[in-house]
Amino acid sequence: DTGVSQDPRHKITKRGQNVTFRCDPISEHNRLYWYRQTLGQGPEFLTYFQNEAQLEKSRLLSDRFSAERPKGSFSTLEIQRTEQGDSAMYLCASRYAAFRNTEAFFGQGTRLTVV
Amino acid sequence: QKEVEQNSGPLSVPEGAIASLNCTYSDRVSQSFFWYRQYSGKSPELIMSIYSNGDKEDGRFTAQLNKASQYVSLLIRDSQPSDSATYLCAVNLEGNQFYFGTGTSLTVIP
Repeated sequence: DTGVSQDPRHKITKRGQNVTFRCDPISEHNRLYWYRQTLGQGPEFLTYFQNEAQLEKSRLLSDRFSAERPKGSFSTLEIQRTEQGDSAMYLCASRYAAFRNTEAFFGQGTRLTVV
Repeated sequence: QKEVEQNSGPLSVPEGAIASLNCTYSDRVSQSFFWYRQYSGKSPELIMSIYSNGDKEDGRFTAQLNKASQYVSLLIRDSQPSDSATYLCAVNLEGNQFYFGTGTSLTVIP
């Protein structure tokens, strides 16, 4: 499978617990994005990486959220001390950004439910 | 002001009709424009990309871009029930992050 892969697909956690999601981008893609999407809304930007460097992080992103892409391949998104408001679909996307006009491709997402 | 705005709908069209979806964006330096389709509970999938003013056609889909008016649209000809989904407009600024609209819900009635 050469698409973007996310794991797990679903996660149910209790409020206050930490969760970590993984994203494996398309292998030659150097840009990796994380988005959050709630019902009836479009994807909301969280952060993105070029290779291993985190280039931008949303100002709306709480300090409880952290993301890494240690070797410029897969990425992890960790949410500490989860809150019910964190319940959402977390989407990862990747693209090859040597040229400006390239598309981003999404993984299947991780649906988080905080109870 | 949101970077990308779309009418949330719902938009309903009969099978075989043309569905017209519209999107406006606020940043004049935006360079790349994309339409994604998202079925309920699924992730967005790319339908069309457009970078230059004018029309771009791909099968039943036509994307239209007018940078002077900061407007991009998607036409779906011969709409099918399987086209029923939410359509997301995305704008890419300077090759960096993508801004998404809230999406337009389309229902094609058999």
